[in-house]
Amino acid sequence: GNSVTQMEGPVTLSEEAFLTINCTYTATGYPSLFWYVQYPGEGLQLLLKATKADDKGSNKGFEATYRKETTSFHLEKGSVQVSDSAVYFCALRRSSASKIIFGSGTRLSIRP
Amino acid sequence: DGGITQSPKYLFRKEGQNVTLSCEQNLNHDAMYWYRQDPGQGLRLIYYSQIVNDFQKGDIAEGYSVSREKKESFPLTVTSAQKNPTAFYLCASSAGTGRSQETQYFGPGTRLLVL
Repeated sequence: GNSVTQMEGPVTLSEEAFLTINCTYTATGYPSLFWYVQYPGEGLQLLLKATKADDKGSNKGFEATYRKETTSFHLEKGSVQVSDSAVYFCALRRSSASKIIFGSGTRLSIRP
Repeated sequence: DGGITQSPKYLFRKEGQNVTLSCEQNLNHDAMYWYRQDPGQGLRLIYYSQIVNDFQKGDIAEGYSVSREKKESFPLTVTSAQKNPTAFYLCASSAGTGRSQETQYFGPGTRLLVL
């Protein structure tokens, strides 16, 4: 079946450190891939997306590249800030499906 | 401002009681969704609706019911049959289900607690 696996948290980094949150997926065909972010007590916000192989999604200094050969969509940021502390969800949607499948989320904490 | 509103922010349910969570959107989106989020877990789909007067069960529909009488509204009722209703409930909408319309936008959520 279709699924998303992301690295378990929590991830704790110092401000200005480099961030990578790993995400791999299982799906047939060419799903769309997403990263959503959830700040404490709030709903999810779309951070970035990619819809085909080798596409790079980017937003607010975050980037992720759709790698078909490794079925991955790792999230990266070159220099994190305290305000980036949140839970990050990797997700996919097959083109023939209505629903989005979410990973279990990775909690990120940034120390000043 | 366009967006999705959910009310109330917190809701308390007594045993044997049905409660209804509100979700309204003014984005003119056709599709709407309800998810449940438990602590430390991802989101699980309860129900979704691709168009007015139509809806389908998601992965965990038992103990829940929905209606879609208006395009902008998709209320969720948590019935007494749902034995473990304590969770954070998130409503979302998307313009459609085609590739260019698939991005889902989320409301702020309702936290349901059982007394």
